[in-house]
Amino acid sequence: GDSVTQMEGPVTLSEEAFLTINCTYTATGYPSLFWYVQYPGEGLQLLLKATKADDKGSNKGFEATYRKETTSFHLEKGSVQVSDSAVYFCALSDWNDYKLSFGAGTTVTVRA
Amino acid sequence: DADVTQTPRNRITKTGKRIMLECSQTKGHDRMYWYRQDPGLGLRLIYYSFDVKDINKGEISDGYSVSRQAQAKFSLSLESAIPNQTALYFCATSLDNDIQYFGAGTRLSVL
Repeated sequence: GDSVTQMEGPVTLSEEAFLTINCTYTATGYPSLFWYVQYPGEGLQLLLKATKADDKGSNKGFEATYRKETTSFHLEKGSVQVSDSAVYFCALSDWNDYKLSFGAGTTVTVRA
Repeated sequence: DADVTQTPRNRITKTGKRIMLECSQTKGHDRMYWYRQDPGLGLRLIYYSFDVKDINKGEISDGYSVSRQAQAKFSLSLESAIPNQTALYFCATSLDNDIQYFGAGTRLSVL
């Protein structure tokens, strides 16, 4: 079945550092890929998405590129801020399926 | 006001008690979902509903039941709570197989 593997955390960074969170997936069909973010005390919200190979999703300075050849969707941000401290989830939704498959989540803490 | 509202936000209960978590949404979506979040496991799907008359089990439905009272309301019940049901519970909605919109969550502790 479909599955998502993302790098384990926690990750602790200084402000303005570069952030990468690795995500790889297994899917039988043609999935859409998502990054969701969960800020402290809140529910998950969509950060960005990509629906086909080579698409790049971007939002709030974050980017991720849908790489079919490596089955990856790594999240990157060039200069993090304290406000980026959150838990980040990689997820996929297959085109003929109803559900999201989530990775385990990566906790990111950015220090001033 | 939030598009997806969960009540209560926090709940402490005792083993064997029946409890209900409620979810309501104003997005007009037909699809609604209940997940639980445990550290290191991500989110796992408990139940989902594609409309008022269509309710389905997810990955981990044992020990849970749901009720879809209206398009906007989807409740999760624990018939007889046990300690390993201590978790963070999320309700979500979607229009289709695309973006899901989540509530703020209910933190449940079963003693």
